[in-house]
Amino acid sequence: QQQVKQSPQSLIVQKGGISIINCAYENTAFDYFPWYQQFPGKGPALLIAIRPDVSEKKEGRFTISFNKSAKQFSLHIMDSQPGDSATYFCAANIQGAQKLVFGQGTRLTINP
Amino acid sequence: DAGVIQSPRHEVTEMGQEVTLRCKPISGHDYLFWYRQTMMRGLELLIYFNNNVPIDDSGMPEDRFSAKMPNASFSTLKIQPSEPRDSAVYFCASSHDPGRRNQVFGPGTRLTVT
Repeated sequence: QQQVKQSPQSLIVQKGGISIINCAYENTAFDYFPWYQQFPGKGPALLIAIRPDVSEKKEGRFTISFNKSAKQFSLHIMDSQPGDSATYFCAANIQGAQKLVFGQGTRLTINP
Repeated sequence: DAGVIQSPRHEVTEMGQEVTLRCKPISGHDYLFWYRQTMMRGLELLIYFNNNVPIDDSGMPEDRFSAKMPNASFSTLKIQPSEPRDSAVYFCASSHDPGRRNQVFGPGTRLTVT
């Protein structure tokens, strides 16, 4: 119940295209949904985050879409660039705790 | 700010040896987290501290693992004795502002146990 399922495991997108990564959860006690970006040899870094009372959040080329009833949320990267090539993790915070549950990660490759 | 500092960055040891990983959180952050990352299991939370006190250690795989936080600027994760299956990248992260819950990760320690 405390799992977050992420798909796809890997994704290849052409430069300028839209990258879409999906996550689903079961636990309704999750109250915060961040996305982290990780480059090889580095630690994950917060990219963008959303709370369940909002259906969409946009920051530059990055957008989170959140569907509370379906218990799903997704990351959209518009105009994808080679520099976006990284591993992306969705996560969910357990309400009342400073504790994130991470998805398995998606390795994104943007071809030039 | 230098960010979260971890040492060593790489560690190669033989099975049965003691391994100690170190972390210096961002000054002012009152939460500290230890994670393990592997291809098979992804990113797993091992333990976290609040104000130097362990809050949740349910992710610690077994008694061979222990973590301490003697003060607000230092934490250790110890594995004794180490086993090949402990090979992974270990991350330390710190956080403040519980309302936003942004965790800042360190660069990680790549541990290889032969």
